[in-house]
Amino acid sequence: RKEVEQDPGPFNVPEGATVAFNCTYSNSASQSFFWYRQDCRKEPKLLMSVYSSGNEDGRFTAQLNRASQYISLLIRDSKLSDSATYLCVVRGSQGNLIFGKGTKLSVKP
Amino acid sequence: DAEITQSPRHKITETGRQVTLACHQTWNHNNMFWYRQDLGHGLRLIHYSYGVQDTNKGEVSDGYSVSRSNTEDLPLTLESAASSQTSVYFCASSGTNRDNEQFFGPGTRLTVL
Repeated sequence: RKEVEQDPGPFNVPEGATVAFNCTYSNSASQSFFWYRQDCRKEPKLLMSVYSSGNEDGRFTAQLNRASQYISLLIRDSKLSDSATYLCVVRGSQGNLIFGKGTKLSVKP
Repeated sequence: DAEITQSPRHKITETGRQVTLACHQTWNHNNMFWYRQDLGHGLRLIHYSYGVQDTNKGEVSDGYSVSRSNTEDLPLTLESAASSQTSVYFCASSGTNRDNEQFFGPGTRLTVL
């Protein structure tokens, strides 16, 4: 089983739609979780950390289910500018980041 | 403003040549990392460093080496470039606390012919 797995998509949605991405991780001892965003041919950038209690940042909501080793990202009222690849990330035991392969989102007018 | 830079941004080389990719950060971060990104694999860790004179192997370290002689720089060397090392390489850095956010450089696109 891969350490971090996510649906590669692509997800093609209209502007204003709500879209959800899911991710599972294999190491039950993992403590830190993140969603990164990567635009085409650019570097990954931190979108938000994921906390056990769930957290929200504007239109973005992240959830963590430790029992199921499952992380989710919900985007409400999608904008054209949300088109990107979303990377599910777990921090490894050495402080490094372990990346999923990414889920591609395309928001259409 | 503090930043992390990589050079060159694009490089084409031949099989068997030694290649060095530069990474320079001005945040005074102790932790620095090298990743490679390939289609179908996502980002994978090559080497990392937690401070001057400290280097560690990551998941895909074969054929690569790093050295950390100062806080600002972590150059990545491909001892004898192979076509399998054609990839996009990202450098990242973070503060002393290993839970700190990692900031990524703009990447180097390397092609080995």
